[in-house]
Amino acid sequence: GAVVSQHPSWVICKSGTSVKIECRSLDFQATTMFWYRQFPKQSLMLMATSNEGSKATYEQGVEKDKFLINHASLTLSTLTVTSAHPEDSSFYICSASPFSGNTIYFGEGSWLTVV
Amino acid sequence: AQTVTQSQPEMSVQEAETVTLSCTYDTSESDYYLFWYKQPPSRQMILVIRQEAYKQQNATENRFSVNFQKAAKSFSLKISDSQLGDAAMYFCAYRSRRSNFGNEKLTFGTGTRLTIIP
Repeated sequence: GAVVSQHPSWVICKSGTSVKIECRSLDFQATTMFWYRQFPKQSLMLMATSNEGSKATYEQGVEKDKFLINHASLTLSTLTVTSAHPEDSSFYICSASPFSGNTIYFGEGSWLTVV
Repeated sequence: AQTVTQSQPEMSVQEAETVTLSCTYDTSESDYYLFWYKQPPSRQMILVIRQEAYKQQNATENRFSVNFQKAAKSFSLKISDSQLGDAAMYFCAYRSRRSNFGNEKLTFGTGTRLTIIP
C-alpha cells in the first residue's frame, strides 16, 4: 500500500544549528502535505500546510522563518528547523494524501533533540 | 473553525471487556469526515476507523465500531473484546470535505490514553 516515509527518525543537533527533516510519498503524488508537532503526552498540533510549487501556509503562532518548509516536488516536502534551540526539541510528523484518493498516510515521525 | 473535544484523558478496561471512548466536535459544515487514530508507544499513527458524515450507518471495523450522532455532534468509539495490543493513545479527528480530499487538514482532539488491564 501507499507509504509516507520520514527521515531521519532521530536527530540530535547543537543549539544554533539547522536540521532538515524529509517527508516522502513513496508511491503516490501529493500536492499537499501537512507537518505536525507533538509535545509529550499531547495531541498533534498542525504547524503548516506544504503546497507543491508554492509557499507553505503556516498556522497561527508558528514562526515561518524558523520552520522552513519546501515542497519542491510532488513526492517530497522538507521541514528545516533553523537556529535550533532546546525548546524546539519535539516529535515532528508529516502526513499526505493522494490527490484523488481518500486515505491519509502518516510518516513514521522524527524525534528532534537540540542540545 | 472546527474543534474536537475528548473529555476522557485516561481510560482503562479489563482485557476482553468493552470500552467506549468519547468524542464531540463542533462545526458549521454539513459534510465532513471523522476518524479515530491509534498511537502506540512507537508514535506511528494508525487509522482505526473512519466515518463519512453523509452516511447514516455507523462504521465498523472488526472489534471497533462507532456511534455517530450527527445532530449531537458526537462520535464515540467502542472497542469490544479489548486486547493488550489495544493499549495506546486514541485520537479523534475531523476533516472537512469542502474540497479535494488531499488538501484538507486534520483537526485532532487531545487524546485518550487507554490502558488494558490483564
